Amino acid sequence: TQLLEQSPQFLSIQEGENLTVYCNSSSVFSSLQWYRQEPGEGPVLLVTVVTGGEVKKLKRLTFQFGDARKDSSLHITAAQPGDTGLYLCAYTGGGADGLTFGKGTHLIIQP
Amino acid sequence: NAGVTQTPKFQVLKTGQSMTLQCAQDMNHNSMYWYRQDPGMGLRLIYYSASEGTTDKGEVPNGYNVSRLNKREFSLRLESAAPSQTSVYFCASSGRLAGAGETQYFGPGTRLLVL
Repeated sequence: TQLLEQSPQFLSIQEGENLTVYCNSSSVFSSLQWYRQEPGEGPVLLVTVVTGGEVKKLKRLTFQFGDARKDSSLHITAAQPGDTGLYLCAYTGGGADGLTFGKGTHLIIQP
Repeated sequence: NAGVTQTPKFQVLKTGQSMTLQCAQDMNHNSMYWYRQDPGMGLRLIYYSASEGTTDKGEVPNGYNVSRLNKREFSLRLESAAPSQTSVYFCASSGRLAGAGETQYFGPGTRLLVL
């Protein structure tokens, strides 16, 4: 099983600040996905990155896939309390593997 | 569309008791999955079903059985619950086997406490 390391594990910042969280591995992936999970709910897909060097934007969220397709980052600009949640990266192994998740970054945005 | 639904939302069991977690999806998806989520461990795949009539083991299948009753429903059974099975269980579905770019849709989870 390929390992996904997410950092930081916990992050608490003030509303309006910028932040970046990371998803790293020593393995090459055909694609990576980012999910957000709010308390008491299941994860919800934010984005899938497929091409090395790819950058995708979702409002104030910017996702980047590393050139070598081994890592990804999520940058949030002007964070808001509604961004609070658990951010998970995952890879789709295809075939019999389902999704393999990192342990996630717990993000708290304080008003 | 309700998406993916799970019952029950909460359950408390005593060690050795059995129970079945139910999952249903109304998106006409072929593939369905069961995950467990534990603090510090992330989400881990228990079992999956690529299509009606087929099931396969994931990363942590021991102590569980599954049934793909029809295309809509995928149940998870604990025959003899153990405290180590205390967790939050999520069911998910996707249009096909998780391949590049395929989205999985998750249910709201079942919170299970085994005493």
